[in-house]
Amino acid sequence: ETGVTQTPRHLVMGMTNKKSLKCEQHLGHNAMYWYKQSAKKPLELMFVYNFKEQTENNSVPSRFSPECPNSSHLFLHLHTLQPEDSALYLCASSQDLGTGNNEQFFGPGTRLTVL
Amino acid sequence: GQNIDQPTEMTATEGAIVQINCTYQTSGFNGLFWYQQHAGEAPTFLSYNVLDGLEEKGRFSSFLSRSKGYSYLLLKELQMKDSASYLCAATDSNYQLIWGAGTKLIIKP
Repeated sequence: ETGVTQTPRHLVMGMTNKKSLKCEQHLGHNAMYWYKQSAKKPLELMFVYNFKEQTENNSVPSRFSPECPNSSHLFLHLHTLQPEDSALYLCASSQDLGTGNNEQFFGPGTRLTVL
Repeated sequence: GQNIDQPTEMTATEGAIVQINCTYQTSGFNGLFWYQQHAGEAPTFLSYNVLDGLEEKGRFSSFLSRSKGYSYLLLKELQMKDSASYLCAATDSNYQLIWGAGTKLIIKP
């Protein structure tokens, strides 16, 4: 247990569906992240929030929409996804941003399959 | 551009020693992380190096050479549970993590 939980663990959806991924951290951290992990590829940073404010949006398609209602919760809303969006979506948190030794704590991920 | 290189896959024998190398090119540098990720699980922190040299933590050690843009993770007395992917990530001048694709380590009895 890393103190970061994600639901659901597995999700299968059609291209016309709308679904949401949820992440919760119980560590009192100020920063939260969404990553996409595809087989044999580096982790791709999608979004970063610091004190509920979005600080990074790495050219992510608008079919992915993040929401951070408070420092403990992070959502990723999904709509009209493509099959190439199938991947493991990881949530992470860290104490702060802007420091070198900024260890990130990861959730177990949501395995997403888009049909 | 920014880049992290590490081998895709390595195989080692239980009880042996294995060294996983990582080279990095980043705009600025604020330290290097190693994470372990078992199949279907979250990545978990192993080590952080910002100064040159070797950091030892039990069976695992991590080395950094800033002048060479090089790091390695050394695993001693390998156990079957060490079978996992090992992710190298360097922190750039903006404190963003630049990730490698990971090295899948297979341990054989």
